[in-house]
Amino acid sequence: NAGVTQTPKFQVLKTGQSMTLQCAQDMNHNSMYWYRQDPGMGLRLIYYSASEGTTDKGEVPNGYNVSRLNKREFSLRLESAAPSQTSVYFCASLYGWPEAFFGQGTRLTVV
Amino acid sequence: KQEVTQIPAALSVPEGENLVLNCSFTDSAIYNLQWFRQDPGKGLTSLLLIQSSQREQTSGRLNASLDKSSGRSTLYIAASQPGDSATYLCAAQSSGAGSYQLTFGKGTKLSVIP
Repeated sequence: NAGVTQTPKFQVLKTGQSMTLQCAQDMNHNSMYWYRQDPGMGLRLIYYSASEGTTDKGEVPNGYNVSRLNKREFSLRLESAAPSQTSVYFCASLYGWPEAFFGQGTRLTVV
Repeated sequence: KQEVTQIPAALSVPEGENLVLNCSFTDSAIYNLQWFRQDPGKGLTSLLLIQSSQREQTSGRLNASLDKSSGRSTLYIAASQPGDSATYLCAAQSSGAGSYQLTFGKGTKLSVIP
């Protein structure tokens, strides 16, 4: 009963480096989401995937790409990291309209 | 565009006090309103979900109400305890492009003083 699992939990990148944040859920949910959380800004939606094979932009998609590899996995990629992307990233999954489930977060620092 | 506001941003109360956290949203065409708890350095834990057809939900010492017409929800915590100290987030759930999107408020940071 892992729920939503994110890896890594912590990461430090240099400006210009790339990396992929991984997210997997074992609840057979259709919809998956990537949020970033910044002090004073709350949680903001980066990208979401309504179902396997589809992805859509959220409120703050610039600088990110996503892949819905299969129903379980939804990855977030930073092609060229910038200090403005220093944040805590959360993955979430949702089935229909009931409650959403969140991962424990990835704390990313770009120096 | 849905906007969610939470007041107050921070609240400090003595142990045992009853308290109310407020959440307002601009677009009343929501499917659900969900309350979460977030402990420092942790993820979000769902507390209560109120469907759009419901007026309130209860879980233990927590009671959440929803008034769609006025665009408001409240989270009532009875007999607060130090273990209730956390940030409480509300999120309005609406539909868009075949999926369901959660729009979050910035949260209320609650401190319960022993």
